[in-house]
Amino acid sequence: QQQVKQSPQSLIVQKGGISIINCAYENTAFDYFPWYQQFPGKGPALLIAIRPDVSEKKEGRFTISFNKSAKQFSLHIMDSQPGDSATYFCAASIEYGGSQGNLIFGKGTKLSVKP
Amino acid sequence: GAGVSQSPSNKVTEKGKDVELRCDPISGHTALYWYRQSLGQGLEFLIYFQGNSAPDKSGLPSDRFSAERTGGSVSTLTIQRTQQEDSAVYLCASSEVGGADEQFFGPGTRLTVL
Repeated sequence: QQQVKQSPQSLIVQKGGISIINCAYENTAFDYFPWYQQFPGKGPALLIAIRPDVSEKKEGRFTISFNKSAKQFSLHIMDSQPGDSATYFCAASIEYGGSQGNLIFGKGTKLSVKP
Repeated sequence: GAGVSQSPSNKVTEKGKDVELRCDPISGHTALYWYRQSLGQGLEFLIYFQGNSAPDKSGLPSDRFSAERTGGSVSTLTIQRTQQEDSAVYLCASSEVGGADEQFFGPGTRLTVL
């Protein structure tokens, strides 16, 4: 059972455009939703994260939108740049209640930004 | 400071052999995680350490997989009698105390089982 579903698998965007990646989760106990960015040959690195008490979080060109009732969250990359070309993973975990915080990942979206 | 390091970066082995993968977490981080990244499967959680204890081993795919952590620092993931389906990138991450603390990932060990 896949607890975090991510789409699309791949995405091609022109430089300056908006990249949008969507994720849906099933477990309502999840209370921490990070996005990770991974470049080839490297480990994933935290990009931005949100908790369900807010509906949106923005850091520079990156924005997470969160819809608790729909159990969905998305990453928006504004003014996409060729340097943003990477694989993006959404994830979810349980922060409280003694949980250790192991991350449940989506299957990833390979983003290519064309110059 | 130094990030999470893993060794070896690449490992090619023959089916049936045992392999050991090493992770050096960020100094002072008490939480350590192992994940496996297979083509098309994303990242799967394997095991979590808090200090030297492993309160959650639920992601280990079979009893051929085991891990230990010593001195609250270095961790070793051991795969016995490797199978071709074990081929993947094995990633280690550490965080300061666990929970929702940021997890810092190492570069991974690419394991190929022939």
